[in-house]
Amino acid sequence: NAGVTQTPKFRVLKTGQSMTLLCAQDMNHEYMYWYRQDPGMGLRLIHYSVGEGTTAKGEVPDGYNVSRLKKQNFLLGLESAAPSQTSVYFCASSQTSVPAGEQYFGPGTRLTVT
Amino acid sequence: QQQVKQSPQSLIVQKGGISIINCAYENTAFDYFPWYQQFPGKGPALLIAIRPDVSEKKEGRFTISFNKSAKQFSSHIMDSQPGDSATYFCAARGNYKLTFGKGTLLTVNP
Repeated sequence: NAGVTQTPKFRVLKTGQSMTLLCAQDMNHEYMYWYRQDPGMGLRLIHYSVGEGTTAKGEVPDGYNVSRLKKQNFLLGLESAAPSQTSVYFCASSQTSVPAGEQYFGPGTRLTVT
Repeated sequence: QQQVKQSPQSLIVQKGGISIINCAYENTAFDYFPWYQQFPGKGPALLIAIRPDVSEKKEGRFTISFNKSAKQFSSHIMDSQPGDSATYFCAARGNYKLTFGKGTLLTVNP
């Protein structure tokens, strides 16, 4: 049982490049989330999903897109990366019975945009 | 608009001391208040959580106190150990989502 995994662990992009971050969970959780963590800012919700095929905007969605084609996967896309998107990105998932209660986090992806 | 305010930003405690972190919230629709612990290079992990109908919850050395009328809650780490050194986040749940405080960097000196 791997829990929540994220790929890649590190990435450096040039301004304007695109990339996709992959989150996978093997706990059969309905809810999945993408956060960004910046120094002194805590964790801010980018997008989330309450089930396969659904997505919704969080607190800071601009510049990002997401897809949840399979229940176990939640993809975060950056179409045209900007230096302001330099951050550590965390994916999380939670059980249906306790929506947004105990969220299980992945190890994070450190993204640098130059 | 910051919906969950956490203080202090950083905290230094001697081994064996008590670490206290405070949080305040604005949205009365929040219905669940978890605390997360994060070590460097790792994702946050749930430590303990409380519902607003409970005034205090204790798990081992960790205690959460909740004051619904004041819209405040706090965590106490008793007998703090160097291994407790980490960043701690309080959070509040509403409408499927968690809103996090900005975090407290705790350092426990040996």
